[in-house]
Amino acid sequence: GAVVSQHPSWVICKSGTSVKIECRSLDFQATTMFWYRQFPKQSLMLMATSNEGSKATYEQGVEKDKFLINHASLTLSTLTVTSAHPEDSSFYICSALHGRIDEQYFGPGTRLTVT
Amino acid sequence: DAKTTQPPSMDCAEGRAANLPCNHSTISGNEYVYWYRQIHSQGPQYIIHGLKNNETNEMASLIITEDRKSSTLILPHATLRDTAVYYCIVRVGGNFNKFYFGSGTKLNVKP
Repeated sequence: GAVVSQHPSWVICKSGTSVKIECRSLDFQATTMFWYRQFPKQSLMLMATSNEGSKATYEQGVEKDKFLINHASLTLSTLTVTSAHPEDSSFYICSALHGRIDEQYFGPGTRLTVT
Repeated sequence: DAKTTQPPSMDCAEGRAANLPCNHSTISGNEYVYWYRQIHSQGPQYIIHGLKNNETNEMASLIITEDRKSSTLILPHATLRDTAVYYCIVRVGGNFNKFYFGSGTKLNVKP
């Protein structure tokens, strides 16, 4: 149990376009999800906390207008990278908080390459 | 901000126990210690967590010192598939359960 999926697993887009990444909790409801970014050979960096039915809260230094987060249901959060640039190329990972047992479960990640 | 310190890398022989240390000297009384691992290009995988008592599950054991300023993750019989980056994380309950990852320890299990 407690499976989190992400879609797509990898995506290549052109500079200036927008890309949407989905994060789903498959067998539990998650009022809170988290988005992380990971550059090569670096650790995970928390970007934002996604709360169902309310605005996301962003970590310091993360541009909320560039990384749009929507958490419209108890099983789905989306991250949209707007006007993507090559420096946005990264591994994006989501996690979902299993409210009943208060644990975070991570998705498999999405590899974004901006050309 | 990460509140943990880990060695950047460790080697372990296959079949032997792997002991991964973590320093969290500024930990508060209500903060839990979590261990996750990340195999290359995958999402982190939960291993174990604890507050102040030692914990054991099917994957590993967690030993927390009495003053809670450090802990050790023990993989009793390391296999090649245990090669990964291991992250020790201190989490405050109620703070939306945010995780701030440190740099982790790259465990290399060698035949």
